[in-house]
Order: sequence, then C-alpha cells, then structure tokens
Amino acid sequence: AQTVTQSQPEMSVQEAETVTLSCTYDTSESDYYLFWYKQPPSRQMILVIRQEAYKQQNATENRFSVNFQKAAKSFSLKISDSQLGDAAMYFCAYRIDYGGATNKLIFGTGTLLAVQP
Amino acid sequence: GAVVSQHPSRVICKSGTSVKIECRSLDFQATTMFWYRQFPKQSLMLMATSNEGSKATYEQGVEKDKFLINHASLTLSTLTVTSAHPEDSSFYICSARFAQGLNTEAFFGQGTRLTVV
Repeated sequence: AQTVTQSQPEMSVQEAETVTLSCTYDTSESDYYLFWYKQPPSRQMILVIRQEAYKQQNATENRFSVNFQKAAKSFSLKISDSQLGDAAMYFCAYRIDYGGATNKLIFGTGTLLAVQP
Repeated sequence: GAVVSQHPSRVICKSGTSVKIECRSLDFQATTMFWYRQFPKQSLMLMATSNEGSKATYEQGVEKDKFLINHASLTLSTLTVTSAHPEDSSFYICSARFAQGLNTEAFFGQGTRLTVV
C-alpha cells in the first residue's frame, strides 16, 4: 500500500527566508504524481505544485520548488522568500498515474508552517 | 483553476436529524467527486469516491448507510449525514476531477463545518 510521511509536524521561518518541508512516500508503482497542497486558516485546499514521477526535472512555481528524489522516494518543498501569506498547513500527496479519474489522493499528515515577521 | 463550490460552509443541526452537503463543479464536468473528513489539526481522510450515475465507493470503516452519497449529474454530488450525532461533528471537504484524461487535477471545495448539538 502507498503511504506518505511528513516527519515535521510544525516548522517556522522568518519572513523573506527560505524553508524546506520534507515528505517521503512508499510505493511500488513507477508512474505516479506527487503534489503539495496548502491549507490556510480558511481551510480551502490550494494546489501549490505538482510533479510527475517520469520527469527528472524538478517542478518550480515562482517561489516554490521541489527536490524530487525518485530512488529515495523523497519529495521536499522549498519555499523561498517566505511571506506572511505562506503561513498554512502544507500537505504532501501522492496519486497513481493510471486507471482513470477515480484515482484517489493519499495525503501525508501535514506540516504546519508559521512565518515570523 | 476550476471552481468547486460547496454548500453550506457551516451548519449546525440537532442530534438525530439529517443534514445534506452539496458539492458543485461550476465550470467543468466532473465524473468523479471525492468526499473527505478532516478533524482539527489532522489530515484529510477519504470517506468515499462517487462517480456520476453509479454507487459511491466507500473507504473501509465508513458507514455507507450513515453517509449517503449521491452523484446524479456531472456537476453535483451530495453527502447526507443521516441521524447525526455529536461525534459526526467535523469538517467535510469535497473535491472534483475533470471528466477527461488522466493528467488532471482534483479541485477542492471550501469545506463544510458540521456541528451536531
């Protein structure tokens, strides 16, 4: 069975600094997607970044980038130039890449990120 | 991104009554919708996967007679909590995926906070 592990329940970063959130996963599949979602206090889930497992190049979205290590089954999120609005719960998630639209997301337990002014 | 609207955002009901939560995809057709439950400071727990026009698939441990899911159209799925009890109080979130293709995102509703008194 696939599992997603986030070993950092809470993290803190100073405004304008860089922080890295860790995520590891376990799967026997070769084709899958990995995601980072942000859940601010409003509780709305927001997709931050997505990585296809077949791509070697790490995904980037503005200040957000990932370090995808397929062999190590590691998928960390780096937030550069942290802003107060980045404060939220961050969830790492996994989804297999076949079988149609019913494929479900498997979430990690989340990392609560605080941004200090 | 696509918009998923969930209604109501908050609801308070008396113990023993039923409450219905709606999840609508506003600008796309979703063959598949997912229902999650989230306890405070915890991850999202998948309750069931609903496909338009067919019965929902429930995760292990989720009572299908208590959490009734209907997905009658490509834009609407409903979750009815029947004979609600205080322990059903939680945050419920839906998400929906595009009908076409594998390489598609799941978009989330804003969630419903259910309080059973």
